Amino acid sequence: GAVVSQHPSWVICKSGTSVKIECRSLDFQATTMFWYRQFPKQSLMLMATSNEGSKATYEQGVEKDKFLINHASLTLSTLTVTSAHPEDSSFYICSATSNPGGRRSEQYFGPGTRLTVT
Amino acid sequence: RKEVEQDPGPFNVPEGATVAFNCTYSNSASQSFFWYRQDCRKEPKLLMSVYSSGNEDGRFTAQLNRASQYISLLIRDSKLSDSATYLCVVNTGFQKLVFGTGTRLLVSP
Repeated sequence: GAVVSQHPSWVICKSGTSVKIECRSLDFQATTMFWYRQFPKQSLMLMATSNEGSKATYEQGVEKDKFLINHASLTLSTLTVTSAHPEDSSFYICSATSNPGGRRSEQYFGPGTRLTVT
Repeated sequence: RKEVEQDPGPFNVPEGATVAFNCTYSNSASQSFFWYRQDCRKEPKLLMSVYSSGNEDGRFTAQLNRASQYISLLIRDSKLSDSATYLCVVNTGFQKLVFGTGTRLLVSP
């Protein structure tokens, strides 16, 4: 199956700093990438949908100025958490698909990035 | 009301048992349906897609009832390695996936 990587796998940062998370599709071209967040004992929540070469579409309640998404190529999307606060501590997971309009096409998930803000 | 609802469990079963999970979804326009498995502190992995006709993959059987907006997963002959959280996932359109909170399964020797 298709492989999606994320970097870093975990990061600890101080409150007020910014953190960049990378999501890469290693063996396919991802026209669309998705960013999710999962708090402990909760479900994955979609934060934004990122299409290569265009602005990301954010879900309701997600601040686009705080969570900057860039999808500059068909294999790379980045999520930057700006001015991080302890409440941003979470498990951030990306996924990618090469067929966003397909009803049954699969999303391939990255291994996730665990962010802890102190 | 949550878009996708699951019983969080945990379901504690002995090895070899049969266990069933249920899930309901609220968006009647949902297009496709899946069960994912998530191990602790890991990303979700696709277990199987769910079709109205029902589908089986080894010890796993999934069923969809569109009229009732209800999805089920049956695991037969449970193994220790089946211990995980099972996520009911609905595609509401254009690959937008909505995840349930998951049902935790613990299989004991």
